[in-house]
Amino acid sequence: DVKVTQSSRYLVKRTGEKVFLECVQDMDHENMFWYRQDPGLGLRLIYFSYDVKMKEKGDIPEGYSVSREKKERFSLILESASTNQTSMYLCASGQTALSTEAFFGQGTRLTVV
Amino acid sequence: KNQVEQSPQSLIILEGKNCTLQCNYTVSPFSNLRWYKQDTGRGPVSLTIMTFSENTKSNGRYTATLDADTKQSSLHITASQLSDSASYICVVSARSGGGADGLTFGKGTHLIIQP
Repeated sequence: DVKVTQSSRYLVKRTGEKVFLECVQDMDHENMFWYRQDPGLGLRLIYFSYDVKMKEKGDIPEGYSVSREKKERFSLILESASTNQTSMYLCASGQTALSTEAFFGQGTRLTVV
Repeated sequence: KNQVEQSPQSLIILEGKNCTLQCNYTVSPFSNLRWYKQDTGRGPVSLTIMTFSENTKSNGRYTATLDADTKQSSLHITASQLSDSASYICVVSARSGGGADGLTFGKGTHLIIQP
């Protein structure tokens, strides 16, 4: 079974803190994605990566950065957390970017206070 | 702009009843459509995928349909169970271009099954 593992289920951080969300997949997938999910807005793409050290902005990249130093690991970084970044963050990986067969992690519920 | 609209936004039904969730899309050119189930506090899990040539596909009590002419899909749940309570997300993939902007997500239907 494909496994996508996010480092934390729940996280509480203070405004202005630098926050790292880690994601690891074990299926040797080329593509990895970071989404945030908010009530009434659905999933919105923050960043994705189609190869090591490669990244592309999604729909809402402002306030975020990413890092992909190894194929299996994709990190989302909040440089200076703000309360409007309180959300559920979902990492996904997939074999091809166009396939909807994205495998999701269990999500990280981030609260910024 | 590619869009995926799901209806209803939320739905409450009694255990044992059937229900149908709708997904309308304007994604073009169409590649495939997938339904995901997302339990509360968990990541989405794939239920079924529909390609252009498929009209109906079943996965246990879940049956998905696709009408590529009208650009509509439905997910029918038969004999609902309490464990069906979840959000159901429709995701459509476009054939052209590359990258994750080829995926368009619906906002989901929140389904609650009451005993």
